[in-house]
Amino acid sequence: KAGVTQTPRYLIKTRGQQVTLSCSPISGHRSVSWYQQTPGQGLQFLFEYFSETQRNKGNFPGRFSGRQFSNSRSEMNVSTLELGDSALYLCASSSLRASYEQYFGPGTRLTVT
Amino acid sequence: GENVEQHPSTLSVQEGDSAVIKCTYSDSASNYFPWYKQELGKRPQLIIDIRSNVGEKKDQRIAVTLNKTAKHFSLHITETQPEDSAVYFCAAPYGGSTLGRLYFGRGTQLTVWP
Repeated sequence: KAGVTQTPRYLIKTRGQQVTLSCSPISGHRSVSWYQQTPGQGLQFLFEYFSETQRNKGNFPGRFSGRQFSNSRSEMNVSTLELGDSALYLCASSSLRASYEQYFGPGTRLTVT
Repeated sequence: GENVEQHPSTLSVQEGDSAVIKCTYSDSASNYFPWYKQELGKRPQLIIDIRSNVGEKKDQRIAVTLNKTAKHFSLHITETQPEDSAVYFCAAPYGGSTLGRLYFGRGTQLTVWP
C-alpha cells in the first residue's frame, strides 16, 4: 500500500498571505488528522476529519481550517499567515477501527517571511 | 485533555547498551500508547504500541511496558545501534476516546555512539 502523501513538501509564504496544504491518506483510511510540529511546542493537534466531517479540533485560532473530500483526501488552509505559523505540518491517516493508530505523511515545511 | 510528559529530553548511549525512555500520562481512561521514531528530516514513524489490556509488548530489540496504576509507560531499546539515533515520541489519545487526537510528549533525542 502506498503511504500517506502530502503536497507541497516545501512552501515559502509572506506574512498576511494564505496557504493550502494537501494530504492523501493511505488507501482505505477514512480518518485524517493534522498536526503542527515546531521546536518550541512539539507536536500539536490541529483537527481531525472523518467522512468529510470535522470530529475534533485543537486549540488553534480560526485562521486554521480544513476540509475533507469524498475520496478522504484532506486539505488544510491557513489564512493571514503570521511568522509564528512557520512549522512542519503533518497529516496522519488511520482506519475506522482505531482512529488513534495513526500513520504520518512526510509533512509540508512552511516558512513564513 | 490528556497531559503527556516524557523524560529524558536527551539520551546518549554507547552502541550495544540499552536505552530507556519514560512517559507519564494524566487521564486514567487512556487506553492506547504508541511510540514514534522521527529521524532528521523525516516523518514520525510508528514503531510500537501497546493497549491498556497488556503490560508489555516486544518487537525484536524494542519493547514497551505499561503500568496503569502509576500511569506511566516506557520504551526499551536493547543492543542499540547507530541507526537507532533519532527523536522518539510517546503519545496517548484523549481519554478512552477512539477518535484521532493524540497528545504527544516533547520527545527524546537519542544518540547512539559507535
